[in-house]
Amino acid sequence: DAGVTQSPTHLIKTRGQQVTLRCSPISGHKSVSWYQQVLGQGPQFIFQYYEKEERGRGNFPDRFSARQFPNYSSELNVNALLLGDSALYLCASSITGDSNQPQHFGDGTRLSIL
Amino acid sequence: DQQVKQNSPSLSVQEGRISILNCDYTNSMFDYFLWYKKYPAEGPTFLISISSIKDKNEDGRFTVFLNKSAKHLSLHIVPSQPGDSAVYFCAAKASGGSNYKLTFGKGTLLTVNP
Repeated sequence: DAGVTQSPTHLIKTRGQQVTLRCSPISGHKSVSWYQQVLGQGPQFIFQYYEKEERGRGNFPDRFSARQFPNYSSELNVNALLLGDSALYLCASSITGDSNQPQHFGDGTRLSIL
Repeated sequence: DQQVKQNSPSLSVQEGRISILNCDYTNSMFDYFLWYKKYPAEGPTFLISISSIKDKNEDGRFTVFLNKSAKHLSLHIVPSQPGDSAVYFCAAKASGGSNYKLTFGKGTLLTVNP
């Protein structure tokens, strides 16, 4: 079975631009979470979506937004990019997201802001 | 304020010996704990988890111990193999209203020498 897939793998943008990252969850998983990992830190929670509804949001500005589609895939959008947005963006999926079950991660999108 | 702490940035062990990775937490609402392994250019891979109702969980070479009174958990790898060389992240999930997100430590780089 395919794992969590993310696209693109790498992306270079300049300050002020907008970016869209994409994620396809493991088949049968209805919950998708997004995390940001900067160098030397652990992943930081951004959003979780379940059944197309936002279940929770981390401490990120409104420039960050996301959505989930009927097929449970998801997009993360970041507007007005800043240098500090340079990071690895990870998508994780799980069956429901809110019980004691592991979240499974994709390989991430490496976003570099120039 | 870091709620999950991995105080050892790195650990080096000899092949065949035991690797012990430690993790401390401060949030009493955490009730589910996970360990992930991450290789460069890949996403975190789920290794093993433990619920707060247990104090030990074992899966092959990997054992996680939980000491709730000390708010401490550890991952034991026996015997260690060179392929275990990676960054290991401790993560926790809270019960209640924010039970959808994982809170990660900064990670520990494990190097297993042949």
